[in-house]
Amino acid sequence: DIQMTQSPSSLSASVGDRVTITCRASQGIRDDLAWYQQKPGKAPKRLIYAASSLQSGVPSRFSGSGSGTEFTLTISSLQPEDFATYYCLQHNSYPPAFGQGTKLEIK
Amino acid sequence: QITLKESGPTLVKPTQTLTLTCTFSGFSLSTSGQHVGWIRQSPGKALEWLALISWDGDKRYSPSLKNRLTITKGTSENHVVLSMTNMDPVDTATYYCTHSGALKDFDYWGQGTLVTVSS
Repeated sequence: DIQMTQSPSSLSASVGDRVTITCRASQGIRDDLAWYQQKPGKAPKRLIYAASSLQSGVPSRFSGSGSGTEFTLTISSLQPEDFATYYCLQHNSYPPAFGQGTKLEIK
Repeated sequence: QITLKESGPTLVKPTQTLTLTCTFSGFSLSTSGQHVGWIRQSPGKALEWLALISWDGDKRYSPSLKNRLTITKGTSENHVVLSMTNMDPVDTATYYCTHSGALKDFDYWGQGTLVTVSS
């Protein structure tokens, strides 16, 4: 099975900051990676698919990059509504696997 | 517009079988490239993929839970049913129904249903 290692597990930042979250796959997954945002009590929402494609309706301050085993999610200028937990997902092979999550908190 | 909604018991006793139904609209599970799956999240924990059924009837299961899970198309064309046997308190979680398309990631999610396992 492919394992996803996500870092950091938590992050404190301020409005306007640029933040980066990283996911590493235990083996190559091409660009079969998605990023999700989850707010308390809500279902996850897809932000990025195919490693770098922005989901329709998602603000352009969100971007994804990477291929193979190393992936990043970048938020260029944090807004108050961005404080949430973020997960990566590999769907290259079964079973699909999520990272352990990054909780983004207000500094 | 694709929507999904989970339904089922909110409380089950240890050793019982959990049966959850996903009712969806906006797509047909008979159409090539469509999939419906289940993901759960224990309180305060990460997301865990459970199972998926495809338009062609193919079924996939989490290796760690394979012996306890069954996913089927419901009697109605817009239903998918997940059964999990021998429930334990560690199975207490919010269970989500999801849609996947050609990319096979999870583009649409239901609101989730919290299932508590307790005697």
